[in-house]
Amino acid sequence: QKEVEQDPGPLSVPEGAIVSLNCTYSNSAFQYFMWYRQYSRKGPELLMYTYSSGNKEDGRFTAQVDKSSKYISLFIRDSQPSDSATYLCAPGKGGATNKLIFGTGTLLAVQP
Amino acid sequence: SQTIHQWPATLVQPVGSPLSLECTVEGTSNPNLYWYRQAAGRGLQLLFYSVGIGQISSEVPQNLSASRPQDRQFILSSKKLLLSDSGFYLCAWSRQGSYEQYFGPGTRLTVT
Repeated sequence: QKEVEQDPGPLSVPEGAIVSLNCTYSNSAFQYFMWYRQYSRKGPELLMYTYSSGNKEDGRFTAQVDKSSKYISLFIRDSQPSDSATYLCAPGKGGATNKLIFGTGTLLAVQP
Repeated sequence: SQTIHQWPATLVQPVGSPLSLECTVEGTSNPNLYWYRQAAGRGLQLLFYSVGIGQISSEVPQNLSASRPQDRQFILSSKKLLLSDSGFYLCAWSRQGSYEQYFGPGTRLTVT
């Protein structure tokens, strides 16, 4: 079983839709949960992160963690064509090295 | 502000040839540094990380090696490339004690 599972998509939605992107993980030692956005042929950029369970909102983006079910979500409101990218979840355990375990990413296409 | 550079951006090398990829970070000191590989359809795989000059930890046994000759310089090398070394190589940095990793633009390597 992989430590982090993520549906690869592609996920196609119309502009303005609410998008839900999800990951599951198996290691209960993960403490913080990152979301990265990666445009085609570019390096990933940090979108937002949460520590432990709960919600965090940043503009049109909301990150949600449910540690009891080991489930991570990223919601995008009022999706725009510029949101079309691959979204990577990456939980980590903390510690001196702060290593992250990346999911395979979900490809999102927002149609104008 | 901090900036991370990688070069070259693109590289095509024959099987059996050597490899040297370079990553440098500006605007910070004593960062954690990471090398990842992203193969098509797969997530980011951590190859090496470093918490200081000369301190390298390997995550995956392979024919690659890493070095950190200066505080903000990280080099990925190979003596003889294999076809399976093809991929998108990404360097990242984080502040000591921080969860947030920031990625460079990447090097796309094709081994022929």
